[in-house]
Amino acid sequence: GAGVSQSPSNKVTEKGKDVELRCDPISGHTALYWYRQSLGQGLEFLIYFQGNSAPDKSGLPSDRFSAERTGGSVSTLTIQRTQQEDSAVYLCASSARQGKNSPLHFGNGTRLTVT
Amino acid sequence: DQQVKQNSPSLSVQEGRISILNCDYTNSMFDYFLWYKKYPAEGPTFLISISSIKDKNEDGRFTVFLNKSAKHLSLHIVPSQPGDSAVYFCAATRPNLFFGTGTRLTVIP
Repeated sequence: GAGVSQSPSNKVTEKGKDVELRCDPISGHTALYWYRQSLGQGLEFLIYFQGNSAPDKSGLPSDRFSAERTGGSVSTLTIQRTQQEDSAVYLCASSARQGKNSPLHFGNGTRLTVT
Repeated sequence: DQQVKQNSPSLSVQEGRISILNCDYTNSMFDYFLWYKKYPAEGPTFLISISSIKDKNEDGRFTVFLNKSAKHLSLHIVPSQPGDSAVYFCAATRPNLFFGTGTRLTVIP
């Protein structure tokens, strides 16, 4: 079946502009995560959604970052007033449920470049 | 604050030999550990996992060892194959998933 889909695959934006990154999780997966990987860094947790529960936003680096998940499916990560340090690969992942025994399935990521 | 650490950014191994990738963690509350493999321009894919109540889990050529007292885990790949060349991330959950910085494995034919 279809995996996690992310769009766009690449995005170049000017500093100060807003961007939206989209994630379509695997159908039926209730947990959805956003991570980012900066150059030479590991995967940095940003936010996760589990069903109808309030999202865990503890990883968002600043209030310029926000995310929503509509109807328990598609998620959008929004970065306002982008800065050059926001340049990274943004990865979305979903799992059948949130918990240790349910491995994450990742999309191929969106490579964001802020010029 | 990096709670999961992979201190070797890269490793090169001859085909057929054993690859050993190491990972250290600082949080004793982690209770489940996973390894992910990542090829360029793709998202990470799940490889193998281990619960904190075990010290070894094996799946084909891949074995993960956990030493809770040392807060250390390792991934052994034997025999290594050129197709194993990728970046390997260890991760720990509590239950959010925290990733290490990755080790780039190159298997030389």
